[in-house]
Amino acid sequence: AQSVTQPDIHITVSEGASLELRCNYSYGATPYLFWYVQSPGQGLQLLLKYFSGDTLVQGIKGFEAEFKRSQSSFNLRKPSVHWSDAAEYFCAVGINDMRFGAGTRLTVKP
Amino acid sequence: DAGITQSPRYKITETGRQVTLMCHQTWSHSYMFWYRQDLGHGLRLIYYSAAADITDKGEVPDGYVVSRSKTENFPLTLESATRSQTSVYFCASSEANEPYNEQFFGPGTRLTVL
Repeated sequence: AQSVTQPDIHITVSEGASLELRCNYSYGATPYLFWYVQSPGQGLQLLLKYFSGDTLVQGIKGFEAEFKRSQSSFNLRKPSVHWSDAAEYFCAVGINDMRFGAGTRLTVKP
Repeated sequence: DAGITQSPRYKITETGRQVTLMCHQTWSHSYMFWYRQDLGHGLRLIYYSAAADITDKGEVPDGYVVSRSKTENFPLTLESATRSQTSVYFCASSEANEPYNEQFFGPGTRLTVL
């Protein structure tokens, strides 16, 4: 079955530490891949997207993501987390429509 | 203000009542979407619209009705609200429904059905 999986429901990291949020997908073909961020009480904002080409994509707010075809993964990374990064992060895939993962909540410790 | 707005932001209603959630966008985007967000499920597509007077079902359409008489508005109606429809509802829009098109989201409406 087609699916988007974010294995981590909740992650806590210290401010200044590195971050990696995992996303795996199960589709017959390579879909279009997205990461969105949702700050408390807000709608979703696009961080970055991957369609083709370079498998390492840069986004806003210092985020990057790497597409690994062999692992069907599209993990989000940030080398140094800031307190303002605390939010909910959603991986999404686009085939015929947009399908979202369940989300990962990020807490940042001072 | 430019962008996409939703009203009301918060709504409490009772089982069996009709509720309409409003969505308005100022970009003249062709496509508009309604999602519901539930813990453990992420966002699930309820309905979408490709243009005025064109709507189609998404993943979870049962219990919902939509209309789109004008490009900029896309109201979502719960004709007889149930407790299972307690959720946060997001409206979104995009220039097209190609898989690579970014969707722009409204701030959401938190609906509680008692």
